[in-house]
This record gives sequence, C-alpha cells and structure tokens, in this order.
Amino acid sequence: GESVGLHLPTLSVQEGDNSIINCAYSNSASDYFIWYKQESGKGPQFIIDIRSNMDKRQGQRVTVLLNKTVKHLSLQIAATQPGDSAVYFCAEILANQAGTALIFGKGTTLSVSS
Amino acid sequence: DTEVTQTPKHLVMGMTNKKSLKCEQHMGHRAMYWYKQKAKKPPELMFVYSYEKLSINESVPSRFSPECPNSSLLNLHLHALQPEDSALYLCASWGERGSSYNEQFFGPGTRLTVL
Repeated sequence: GESVGLHLPTLSVQEGDNSIINCAYSNSASDYFIWYKQESGKGPQFIIDIRSNMDKRQGQRVTVLLNKTVKHLSLQIAATQPGDSAVYFCAEILANQAGTALIFGKGTTLSVSS
Repeated sequence: DTEVTQTPKHLVMGMTNKKSLKCEQHMGHRAMYWYKQKAKKPPELMFVYSYEKLSINESVPSRFSPECPNSSLLNLHLHALQPEDSALYLCASWGERGSSYNEQFFGPGTRLTVL
C-alpha cells in the first residue's frame, strides 16, 4: 500500500475507483489549508479547505484529512470520474502582519481512464 | 460576479519590449496577488497587494513592476524580460483575514512567452 506522506507526482486510476492524493506541508504554525484543482489552460480552482483544529472535512465526493503530527494532508476523491483528471495542489495559508498568502505544495497529476 | 479576469490570455514579447498584464475583480476583495507558474510546477507567489498597497514582494526582479490603480484592478508591468521569464502568470483575489478564507478565486492566467 501507499505510505503516509508519500507524494506521487502522477496518479493513474480507473473510472469509479477512489483516489488518494498526498501532500506534505512545511510550516507547523500554518492554521489553514486548501486543496486546488487545476485543469489544463486554467487557473487553480478551490476544492475544499480545512482548519488546523480539524482532522477531517468532507465535501461532495471529496474528503480532506489533516495529520498535524507529521505535517501531512491528503485528498480523497470518491468514485473518480474522467472530469476529475487535472493537477491537484495543496496550499497552506501563511498569515502575518505583512499580509496573507498561499504557499503551494508540489502537484499531483491525476489521470482517470474510462 | 464571482470572477477574476485577466488580459491578455496570451502574450509574446521580445526582450526589449515593454508590456503590461491586467487583472480585474468586482467581488470587493481587498487583497490581490500575482503568481508565476512554470510548466508542471506549483504557482509561486510574486506580489501581494492589501488595500491597494504592496504588502509582500517575494524578492521579484525589478523587471517586473506591479501596480494597483484601485481596489478592482491589478497590473503587472514587464520590461526587459528574459526567456526564462516565460510562464503562466496568475492573478488571484480574496477577502482579508477575518472573512471567510474560502472567498478566493484565481483568474485563468496570461501565458507569456519571451523571445
């Protein structure tokens, strides 16, 4: 099976399978995280977010899990569809007196075959 | 209107040219951002404007010059760029701390090619 914290640059699944995309973040003080989906030729699109006081949050067909101990996020997509094919990025929010900014993690390219 | 628009969609310029990228949002967001994205890489933060003032500059070379004429507009002026500056330039906006963090949107980007 897949190790917790292992980031894969690409993931190929069959339509209908469940997908798990992993991400590691760097700043233990980050208190808010977002998953984005980026389709070819488009800007990143918000999928789901989670605050650091939670360890799980569910949306429509997506679930985000947060493990603060190992600074790891995962995005689970249920019943993956061809339209889910895209690059997925996690991002952590860094907020200080200067302002608020997103710092993106490495992306994972998800390919869904019919 | 829940959209960030960017113009142009594509731009090809020579190293001696001067050009500008434009970004617009009408969501009342007071923070606007420029990111640079190379192929197969995550977006990298360049500049942050908060209430029309530059609040973060991530050590970006001076050949990139941001401008925020008003709360709805954000420009990125380009001069004497290098071929390695070719990338997708993304604009984003969202509500400031205290509002819902998930009120953030990215534009579709400007694909820049420097010859």
